[in-house]
Amino acid sequence: DTEVTQTPKHLVMGMTNKKSLKCEQHMGHRAMYWYKQKAKKPPELMFVYSYEKLSINESVPSRFSPECPNSSLLNLHLHALQPEDSALYLCASSQSPVQATIYGYTFGSGTRLTVV
Amino acid sequence: ELKVEQNPLFLSMQEGKNYTIYCNYSTTSDRLYWYRQDPGKSLESLFVLLSNGAVKQEGRLMASLDTKARLSTLHITAAVHDLSATYFCAGNTGNQFYFGTGTSLTVIP
Repeated sequence: DTEVTQTPKHLVMGMTNKKSLKCEQHMGHRAMYWYKQKAKKPPELMFVYSYEKLSINESVPSRFSPECPNSSLLNLHLHALQPEDSALYLCASSQSPVQATIYGYTFGSGTRLTVV
Repeated sequence: ELKVEQNPLFLSMQEGKNYTIYCNYSTTSDRLYWYRQDPGKSLESLFVLLSNGAVKQEGRLMASLDTKARLSTLHITAAVHDLSATYFCAGNTGNQFYFGTGTSLTVIP
């Protein structure tokens, strides 16, 4: 299995809702990442988990809450989002943060989030 | 913070023609990466360039890296419609990746 699987593929939520995005990989990768990508813009790093521990948080608002329950799974919990948070949320993984610099990332197909 | 810039931002080219996308970065980057993204889809890794002078080719795409000039190029040879996509380069400092602005490529018959 050489894939990063993200669910759901599309999500529409209201500003008072609570929802979660899920990301799963079974490649034995120990680093997982959340990126946010607005239309026609490059991906922006949100969070990095390394060996199930949060190692980088790029000053992301607290309405985004990441969680890494185990080495295969990464969640992004969403609460009280704003319309400007509408974007494509990409999960990625690598063997480790250091290995990412040699081989790059494996990206999931993304979750298209719309906040209404 | 590493700044990565690409040009052009938009490129419309005829099938069969050659063209080059340029990627400049602001400070030392350990390596340079090229990704392809189809509309509404995820990013697909194309090339990882590990050192100065690295050149990699896959099909009609060839990427190169000049760390002294802080420049990477993605050369497209004899373009075909299937190459239409957005191409991102990315650099890294340590474990952090920084993506360029992207080049939206459209290949027209």
